[in-house]
Amino acid sequence: DIQMTQSPSILSASVGDRVTITCRASQSLINWLAWYQQKPGKAPKLLIYETSALESGVPSRFSGSGSGTEFTLTISSLQPEDFATYHCQQYNSYPWTFGQGTKVEIK
Amino acid sequence: QVQLQESGPGLVKPSETLSLSCTVSGGSIRGYYWSWIRQSPGKQMEWIGYFTSTGTTNYDPSYYNPSLKSRVRISVDTSKNEISLQLSSVAAADTAVYYCARKTIASAIFDIWGQGTMVTVSS
Repeated sequence: DIQMTQSPSILSASVGDRVTITCRASQSLINWLAWYQQKPGKAPKLLIYETSALESGVPSRFSGSGSGTEFTLTISSLQPEDFATYHCQQYNSYPWTFGQGTKVEIK
Repeated sequence: QVQLQESGPGLVKPSETLSLSCTVSGGSIRGYYWSWIRQSPGKQMEWIGYFTSTGTTNYDPSYYNPSLKSRVRISVDTSKNEISLQLSSVAAADTAVYYCARKTIASAIFDIWGQGTMVTVSS
């Protein structure tokens, strides 16, 4: 299985900050990587797929980049509604696997 | 818009079979791929498997995570717009929040999720 490692596990930030989360894969994913946002007790929400494609309705302050084994999710200016946990997911090969999550909390 | 709602017992005894349902509202089950994903406390999400609902029941295939394949069955009841998960011979390690999700047809991303249901395995 492809192992996915996110860093950091917890990120403390303030409204307006630029935030970057990293996801590393144990094998090359080419560009088959997605990002999800999860708030407590809520359904996870697809933000980005194919490394950098924004899901419909997702604000443009979210962006994704990377290739191969290293990928990043960037929030250009953190908003109050962005405090949540973010998960990466690879879909290059079976079984599809997720990172352990990065919690973005209020500083 | 399409919404998913998981339901089922919150407590299951070790060695028994976990059975969950996911009701799809606001859209049809037919023609889509339906998946189950779980998250055990303190661990990353784990993809369990998916079922393709083309409407031709006899030929609808399912695909499972090899780590769970021998114990898992996912099925779809198009008359009820419902997706089911059965996981047999459960143990404490199967304690998790279980999510149903819609997998896109073109790729293995999950564009719609339920809120999840917590299942604890304990005697």
